[in-house]
Amino acid sequence: GAVVSQHPSRVICKSGTSVKIECRSLDFQATTMFWYRQFPKQSLMLMATSNEGSKATYEQGVEKDKFLINHASLTLSTLTVTSAHPEDSSFYICSATDPGTETQYFGPGTRLLVL
Amino acid sequence: QKEVEQDPGPLSVPEGAIVSLNCTYSNSAFQYFMWYRQYSRKGPELLMYTYSSGNKEDGRFTAQVDKSSKYISLFIRDSQPSDSATYLCALSAAAGNKLTFGGGTRVLVKP
Repeated sequence: GAVVSQHPSRVICKSGTSVKIECRSLDFQATTMFWYRQFPKQSLMLMATSNEGSKATYEQGVEKDKFLINHASLTLSTLTVTSAHPEDSSFYICSATDPGTETQYFGPGTRLLVL
Repeated sequence: QKEVEQDPGPLSVPEGAIVSLNCTYSNSAFQYFMWYRQYSRKGPELLMYTYSSGNKEDGRFTAQVDKSSKYISLFIRDSQPSDSATYLCALSAAAGNKLTFGGGTRVLVKP
């Protein structure tokens, strides 16, 4: 299947700092990428839909000023957690839609721990 | 009521047994159905992708969709310890569109 990468795989930061997570589609161009959040022993919750060249669409209850999404190219979307707090600690996963198969492939996830 | 219901398990089976997983949904707008496997601390891995009622087979995996009953299933034949993971059903209203996930079923295949 198609490959989606994420960087970094894990990050530890101090409360109040900002953290950027990158999501790349390695072997296809993705006009649409998605960002999910997953707490322990829970399912994935969609945070936002990232569209190349336009503003992201956020799900209800997700603060767009706190979770900044930029989809600058057809292979890269970034999620920036601004002024992170301990409650933002979670597993963040991105996915990208392969236009050839119209299926979503997921990245390996980024584990964020805010101290 | 959640849009997609999935028994959280855990489902424990002996090696070689058939694993039977299912999800029910309430929104008839869902037209595309996927099953993902997720190992601990990893991203989900796509196993099966279907968009019509009926069966689809791929190796040891068989996916079933019954749109009239709003019920989807995944069967794993000849289960192996390496199949121990959480299995997530995911549904969408349009191809490539945002997914709505079930809660996931944790499966444990014992050698």
